[in-house]
Amino acid sequence: GDSVTQMEGPVTLSEEAFLTINCTYTATGYPSLFWYVQYPGEGLQLLLKATKADDKGSNKGFEATYRKETTSFHLEKGSVQVSDSAVYFCALKNTGNQFYFGTGTSLTVIP
Amino acid sequence: DTEVTQTPKHLVMGMTNKKSLKCEQHMGHRAMYWYKQKAKKPPELMFVYSYEKLSINESVPSRFSPECPNSSLLNLHLHALQPEDSALYLCASSQAQGQYYGYTFGSGTRLTVV
Repeated sequence: GDSVTQMEGPVTLSEEAFLTINCTYTATGYPSLFWYVQYPGEGLQLLLKATKADDKGSNKGFEATYRKETTSFHLEKGSVQVSDSAVYFCALKNTGNQFYFGTGTSLTVIP
Repeated sequence: DTEVTQTPKHLVMGMTNKKSLKCEQHMGHRAMYWYKQKAKKPPELMFVYSYEKLSINESVPSRFSPECPNSSLLNLHLHALQPEDSALYLCASSQAQGQYYGYTFGSGTRLTVV
């Protein structure tokens, strides 16, 4: 079946460090890919998305590129801030409209 | 209005109580969802409503009863819950059920069953 695999956390970075959170997927057909962020005590917020191969989603300095050849959608940010501390979920939505979340990666940014 | 509003934010209930969670959106979205999220885990789908009709029930126990009174409102009625049902309950909506539509989530109701 379809699935999403994220790098295990937790991840701890110093402010202004470069962030990469790896995400790979397994799916038949061409799913849409998403990154969601969940701040402490809150619901999930859509961070960015990509709906076809080679699309790049971007928002608030975060980027991810839909790589069909490596079935990946890695999240990157050039310079993280303390306010980026949260849990990040990679997700896919397949052609059958089923949504699959990864297990989440907790990020802590220290000043 | 680009929000999904959930009430209450916190709820403590006994195992014999009946309570309801409420979810509201005014974005004209025609698909609405209930998810359950345990600590440090991804959300798990419970129910899907599409055009106010229940389209997916992920084998959820009958002590959880969803209701969609109109296109803007979604309720989750709770009865005779167990302590293991304690979790964050998230409501979400999307423009439709199509593949390209992401979800807009509410902030959730943190439920504690005592």
